[in-house]
Amino acid sequence: GAVVSQHPSWVICKSGTSVKIECRSLDFQATTMFWYRQFPKQSLMLMATSNEGSKATYEQGVEKDKFLINHASLTLSTLTVTSAHPEDSSFYICSARGIAGGTHTGELFFGEGSRLTVL
Amino acid sequence: QKEVEQNSGPLSVPEGAIASLNCTYSDRGSQSFFWYRQYSGKSPELIMFIYSNGDKEDGRFTAQLNKASQYVSLLIRDSQPSDSATYLCAVNMFGALDTGRRALTFGSGTRLQVQP
Repeated sequence: GAVVSQHPSWVICKSGTSVKIECRSLDFQATTMFWYRQFPKQSLMLMATSNEGSKATYEQGVEKDKFLINHASLTLSTLTVTSAHPEDSSFYICSARGIAGGTHTGELFFGEGSRLTVL
Repeated sequence: QKEVEQNSGPLSVPEGAIASLNCTYSDRGSQSFFWYRQYSGKSPELIMFIYSNGDKEDGRFTAQLNKASQYVSLLIRDSQPSDSATYLCAVNMFGALDTGRRALTFGSGTRLQVQP
């Protein structure tokens, strides 16, 4: 299957600082990537849809000024958590839909996830 | 009503038994259905997908789809302790309009425990 790489896997930061998480599709072009957040023992929550070359689409209740998304190329999307607070501590996971030969394959491929801890 | 519903569990089965995981969805126009497995602290990994009514088998896993009743299930034969994880059902609700630019809709997951 397709590979989505996410970095860093773990990050610990002080309250008030900003943290950037990178998501790369390694062997396919992803015009669209999705960012999820997951709190312990809870389900995946879609935060936003990242579209290459255009603004991200945020889900209701997600602050766009706090969670900055940039999708500058077909293989890279970044999520920046600005002015992080302890309540932002969570598991952040990016994903992309597979595209093969111009036809999407449907399934989501997930990155390894980034665990953010804000002190 | 949630768009994709799963029993949160835990579902506990003895080693070697068949584990049956169920999922219902609300949108009759949904076209494709996916099962993901998520170990604690890890990101989800795709187990299998199904598009057509009926059964689809892959090794110890069988996905079953009934569009008329709007449910999809996953059977795990000869369950192993390593199968203990949370199983997520995901639905593509956009059918023929799906251009790959919309996220799948996930259920909340069923936690499976396989007892040695």
